[in-house]
Amino acid sequence: AQSVTQLGSHVSVSEGALVLLRCNYSSSVPPYLFWYVQYPNQGLQLLLKYTTGATLVKGINGFEAEFKKSETSFHLTKPSAHMSDAAEYFCAVSERDDKIIFGKGTRLHILP
Amino acid sequence: GAVVSQHPSWVICKSGTSVKIECRSLDFQATTMFWYRQFPKQSLMLMATSNEGSKATYEQGVEKDKFLINHASLTLSTLTVTSAHPEDSSFYICSGETGASYEQYFGPGTRLTVT
Repeated sequence: AQSVTQLGSHVSVSEGALVLLRCNYSSSVPPYLFWYVQYPNQGLQLLLKYTTGATLVKGINGFEAEFKKSETSFHLTKPSAHMSDAAEYFCAVSERDDKIIFGKGTRLHILP
Repeated sequence: GAVVSQHPSWVICKSGTSVKIECRSLDFQATTMFWYRQFPKQSLMLMATSNEGSKATYEQGVEKDKFLINHASLTLSTLTVTSAHPEDSSFYICSGETGASYEQYFGPGTRLTVT
């Protein structure tokens, strides 16, 4: 069965600094991988996804993630943090079926 | 595109009553819809998966008689929390999938508070 581990329930970065949110997964088949963002009291918004092809995936709001099969990782990055990036971020994996399994989430804090 | 709405966005009900939450796909046909529950500061936990016209498939530990799911059309699914109790207070989020891809489109969520 698939699973997702997000390292760090809270991450703080200064405005303008690099954002790095870590995600490792386990899957018995080539997975689909997702990053979602959730603002307070709202649903989830898809940031980006990896299905096949290019391992470096670019998403919305300047975020990108790289699928590294050898490391079973799908870390999310953004070169320069903005105050509006403060939110909860969820990494998720799907074994190419209907189910998506979510990580526990990482709350990103942006320091002025 | 791919917008999912939920109604109501928040609801307060008394213990012992039932409450219905609607999930609608506004601009696509959702062959499969999912219901999640999210406790404060925690991740989303899948409650059930429903396909239009079929009975929902519930995850282990989810009481199907308490959380009634109906997926009557390709654009509407409902979750009814029956005989609600304070421990049912949570954020309920639905999502829809077109069937053409494995991407799910999420609704904005419904905050249920049972007093």
